[in-house]
Amino acid sequence: GIQVEQSPPDLILQEGANSTLRCNFSDSVNNLQWFHQNPWGQLINLFYIPSGTKQNGRLSATTVATERYSLLYISSSQTTDSGVYFCAATAGGGNKLTFGTGTQLKVEL
Amino acid sequence: NAGVTQTPKFQVLKTGQSMTLQCAQDMNHEYMSWYRQDPGMGLRLIHYSVGAGITDQGEVPNGYNVSRSTTEDFPLRLLSAAPSQTSVYFCASSYEGGEQFFGPGTRLTVL
Repeated sequence: GIQVEQSPPDLILQEGANSTLRCNFSDSVNNLQWFHQNPWGQLINLFYIPSGTKQNGRLSATTVATERYSLLYISSSQTTDSGVYFCAATAGGGNKLTFGTGTQLKVEL
Repeated sequence: NAGVTQTPKFQVLKTGQSMTLQCAQDMNHEYMSWYRQDPGMGLRLIHYSVGAGITDQGEVPNGYNVSRSTTEDFPLRLLSAAPSQTSVYFCASSYEGGEQFFGPGTRLTVL
Protein backbone atom coordinates (compact mmCIF):
# COMPACT_ATOMS: atom_id res chain seq x y z
CA GLY A 1 0.00 0.00 0.00
CA ILE A 2 0.83 3.66 -0.10
CA GLN A 3 3.46 5.01 2.28
CA VAL A 4 3.05 8.47 3.85
CA GLU A 5 5.97 10.25 5.49
CA GLN A 6 5.88 13.56 7.32
CA SER A 7 8.61 15.97 8.31
CA PRO A 8 9.76 17.35 10.61
CA PRO A 9 8.57 15.05 13.40
CA ASP A 10 8.77 17.86 15.96
CA LEU A 11 8.74 21.63 15.67
CA ILE A 12 8.92 24.42 18.26
CA LEU A 13 8.03 27.95 17.18
CA GLN A 14 7.80 31.34 18.77
CA GLU A 15 4.41 32.94 18.43
CA GLY A 16 4.24 34.91 15.21
CA ALA A 17 6.68 32.71 13.29
CA ASN A 18 5.90 30.94 10.03
CA SER A 19 6.42 27.25 9.29
CA THR A 20 6.16 24.66 6.55
CA LEU A 21 5.23 21.04 7.16
CA ARG A 22 5.90 18.45 4.49
CA CYS A 23 4.13 15.23 3.50
CA ASN A 24 5.65 12.79 1.00
CA PHE A 25 3.68 9.90 -0.43
CA SER A 26 4.84 6.89 -2.38
CA ASP A 27 2.08 6.54 -4.98
CA SER A 28 -0.47 8.52 -6.94
CA VAL A 29 -3.25 9.67 -4.63
CA ASN A 30 -6.98 9.98 -5.02
CA ASN A 31 -7.42 11.91 -1.81
CA LEU A 32 -5.08 13.84 0.45
CA GLN A 33 -6.15 15.46 3.68
CA TRP A 34 -4.47 17.51 6.39
CA PHE A 35 -5.72 17.30 9.96
CA HIS A 36 -4.92 19.08 13.19
CA GLN A 37 -5.20 16.99 16.34
CA ASN A 38 -5.64 19.43 19.20
CA PRO A 39 -4.40 18.79 22.76
CA TRP A 40 -7.82 17.29 23.62
CA GLY A 41 -7.38 14.64 20.93
CA GLN A 42 -9.96 15.95 18.50
CA LEU A 43 -9.16 15.58 14.79
CA ILE A 44 -9.98 18.75 12.91
CA ASN A 45 -10.17 18.80 9.12
CA LEU A 46 -7.88 21.44 7.67
CA PHE A 47 -7.72 20.69 3.95
CA TYR A 48 -9.01 18.19 1.44
CA ILE A 49 -6.40 18.71 -1.28
CA PRO A 50 -5.56 15.89 -3.73
CA SER A 51 -3.97 18.53 -5.98
CA GLY A 52 -3.52 22.28 -6.25
CA THR A 53 -3.44 25.02 -3.63
CA LYS A 54 -5.97 26.10 -1.03
CA GLN A 55 -5.98 28.75 1.64
CA ASN A 56 -7.97 29.16 4.81
CA GLY A 57 -7.01 32.16 6.90
CA ARG A 58 -3.43 31.78 8.18
CA LEU A 59 -3.19 28.27 6.80
CA SER A 60 -2.58 27.18 3.25
CA ALA A 61 -1.73 23.92 1.56
CA THR A 62 -0.26 22.85 -1.75
CA THR A 63 -0.22 19.37 -3.22
CA VAL A 64 2.01 18.59 -6.20
CA ALA A 65 0.59 15.23 -7.17
CA THR A 66 3.09 14.58 -9.99
CA GLU A 67 5.98 14.93 -7.53
CA ARG A 68 4.16 13.13 -4.72
CA TYR A 69 4.28 15.68 -1.95
CA SER A 70 2.09 18.13 -0.11
CA LEU A 71 3.02 21.16 2.01
CA LEU A 72 1.10 22.81 4.82
CA TYR A 73 2.01 26.43 5.55
CA ILE A 74 1.23 28.07 8.87
CA SER A 75 1.76 31.80 9.00
CA SER A 76 1.85 34.06 12.07
CA SER A 77 1.57 31.04 14.37
CA GLN A 78 -0.44 31.25 17.56
CA THR A 79 -0.37 29.13 20.71
CA THR A 80 -3.70 27.63 19.66
CA ASP A 81 -1.93 26.12 16.62
CA SER A 82 -0.13 23.71 18.95
CA GLY A 83 -0.88 20.03 18.51
CA VAL A 84 -0.15 17.31 16.01
CA TYR A 85 -0.59 17.80 12.29
CA PHE A 86 -1.38 14.70 10.25
CA CYS A 87 -1.31 14.12 6.55
CA ALA A 88 -3.36 11.20 5.21
CA ALA A 89 -3.88 9.85 1.72
CA THR A 90 -5.81 7.27 -0.27
CA ALA A 91 -4.57 5.59 -3.42
CA GLY A 92 -5.90 3.14 -5.97
CA GLY A 93 -9.56 3.96 -5.42
CA GLY A 94 -11.65 3.59 -2.29
CA ASN A 95 -11.55 5.62 0.89
CA LYS A 96 -8.91 3.81 2.96
CA LEU A 97 -6.83 6.59 4.45
CA THR A 98 -3.17 5.94 5.26
CA PHE A 99 -1.82 8.34 7.85
CA GLY A 100 1.65 9.69 8.36
CA THR A 101 3.10 9.69 11.86
CA GLY A 102 2.49 13.41 12.25
CA THR A 103 4.36 16.61 13.08
CA GLN A 104 4.16 17.65 16.74
CA LEU A 105 4.01 21.45 16.81
CA LYS A 106 4.46 23.57 19.91
CA VAL A 107 4.01 27.32 19.68
CA GLU A 108 5.47 29.27 22.59
CA LEU A 109 4.89 32.83 23.73
CA ASN B 1 -26.12 18.17 11.81
CA ALA B 2 -24.34 16.36 14.63
CA GLY B 3 -21.77 14.96 12.19
CA VAL B 4 -20.04 11.81 13.44
CA THR B 5 -20.81 10.83 17.02
CA GLN B 6 -19.17 8.16 19.15
CA THR B 7 -20.06 6.60 22.48
CA PRO B 8 -18.72 6.11 25.04
CA LYS B 9 -15.97 8.73 25.36
CA PHE B 10 -14.02 6.65 27.86
CA GLN B 11 -14.12 2.96 28.80
CA VAL B 12 -12.11 0.67 31.06
CA LEU B 13 -12.36 -3.08 30.52
CA LYS B 14 -10.80 -6.12 32.08
CA THR B 15 -9.03 -8.65 29.89
CA GLY B 16 -11.55 -11.01 28.32
CA GLN B 17 -14.54 -8.70 28.58
CA SER B 18 -16.53 -7.76 25.51
CA MET B 19 -17.98 -4.43 24.50
CA THR B 20 -19.32 -2.47 21.56
CA LEU B 21 -18.16 0.98 20.53
CA GLN B 22 -20.93 2.94 18.89
CA CYS B 23 -20.59 5.22 15.88
CA ALA B 24 -23.32 7.14 14.10
CA GLN B 25 -23.41 9.77 11.36
CA ASP B 26 -26.24 11.93 10.07
CA MET B 27 -24.71 13.06 6.77
CA ASN B 28 -26.02 10.13 4.70
CA HIS B 29 -22.46 9.06 3.93
CA GLU B 30 -22.15 5.63 2.39
CA TYR B 31 -18.57 5.10 3.55
CA MET B 32 -17.73 4.54 7.25
CA SER B 33 -14.59 3.28 8.92
CA TRP B 34 -12.87 2.61 12.22
CA TYR B 35 -9.31 3.58 13.08
CA ARG B 36 -7.16 3.14 16.14
CA GLN B 37 -4.48 5.52 17.33
CA ASP B 38 -1.63 4.38 19.53
CA PRO B 39 0.81 6.75 21.29
CA GLY B 40 3.14 8.57 18.94
CA MET B 41 1.55 7.10 15.86
CA GLY B 42 -0.88 8.02 13.17
CA LEU B 43 -4.22 6.33 12.81
CA ARG B 44 -4.48 2.79 11.43
CA LEU B 45 -7.53 1.39 9.68
CA ILE B 46 -9.34 -1.47 11.45
CA HIS B 47 -12.48 -2.11 9.36
CA TYR B 48 -14.51 -0.17 6.85
CA SER B 49 -17.86 -0.28 5.09
CA VAL B 50 -18.88 1.05 1.67
CA GLY B 51 -22.58 0.79 2.42
CA ALA B 52 -25.22 -1.01 4.46
CA GLY B 53 -24.56 -4.74 4.50
CA ILE B 54 -21.01 -4.44 3.17
CA THR B 55 -17.90 -4.51 5.36
CA ASP B 56 -14.23 -5.29 4.82
CA GLN B 57 -10.98 -5.51 6.74
CA GLY B 58 -8.40 -2.80 7.04
CA GLU B 59 -4.79 -2.91 8.17
CA VAL B 60 -5.33 -4.16 11.76
CA PRO B 61 -8.63 -6.13 11.90
CA ASN B 62 -7.72 -8.93 14.32
CA GLY B 63 -9.78 -8.97 17.51
CA TYR B 64 -12.53 -6.73 16.13
CA ASN B 65 -15.87 -7.35 14.42
CA VAL B 66 -18.14 -4.94 12.60
CA SER B 67 -21.54 -4.93 10.95
CA ARG B 68 -23.49 -2.30 9.03
CA SER B 69 -27.23 -2.79 9.14
CA THR B 70 -28.10 0.86 8.43
CA THR B 71 -26.45 3.76 6.61
CA GLU B 72 -26.22 5.74 9.85
CA ASP B 73 -24.61 3.25 12.27
CA PHE B 74 -21.35 1.32 12.25
CA PRO B 75 -20.61 -0.37 15.60
CA LEU B 76 -17.23 -1.91 16.46
CA ARG B 77 -17.23 -5.01 18.65
CA LEU B 78 -14.43 -6.31 20.82
CA LEU B 79 -15.32 -9.93 21.57
CA SER B 80 -12.58 -10.64 24.13
CA ALA B 81 -10.59 -7.54 25.06
CA ALA B 82 -6.81 -7.74 25.38
CA PRO B 83 -4.33 -5.18 26.78
CA SER B 84 -2.98 -4.72 23.23
CA GLN B 85 -6.33 -3.17 22.34
CA THR B 86 -5.75 -0.26 24.70
CA SER B 87 -5.95 2.66 22.32
CA VAL B 88 -8.00 5.61 21.14
CA TYR B 89 -10.62 4.61 18.58
CA PHE B 90 -11.92 6.96 15.91
CA CYS B 91 -14.84 6.50 13.57
CA ALA B 92 -15.02 8.34 10.25
CA SER B 93 -17.48 8.80 7.42
CA SER B 94 -17.50 10.23 3.92
CA TYR B 95 -19.02 10.02 0.49
CA GLU B 96 -17.22 7.64 -1.85
CA GLY B 97 -13.90 9.27 -2.74
CA GLY B 98 -14.68 12.32 -0.67
CA GLU B 99 -13.37 14.17 2.35
CA GLN B 100 -13.51 12.10 5.53
CA PHE B 101 -14.87 13.44 8.80
CA PHE B 102 -13.93 11.98 12.17
CA GLY B 103 -15.79 11.53 15.41
CA PRO B 104 -14.43 12.70 18.78
CA GLY B 105 -12.92 9.32 19.65
CA THR B 106 -13.29 6.69 22.38
CA ARG B 107 -10.41 6.20 24.79
CA LEU B 108 -10.27 2.51 25.76
CA THR B 109 -8.12 0.98 28.46
CA VAL B 110 -7.89 -2.79 28.87
CA LEU B 111 -6.45 -3.95 32.18
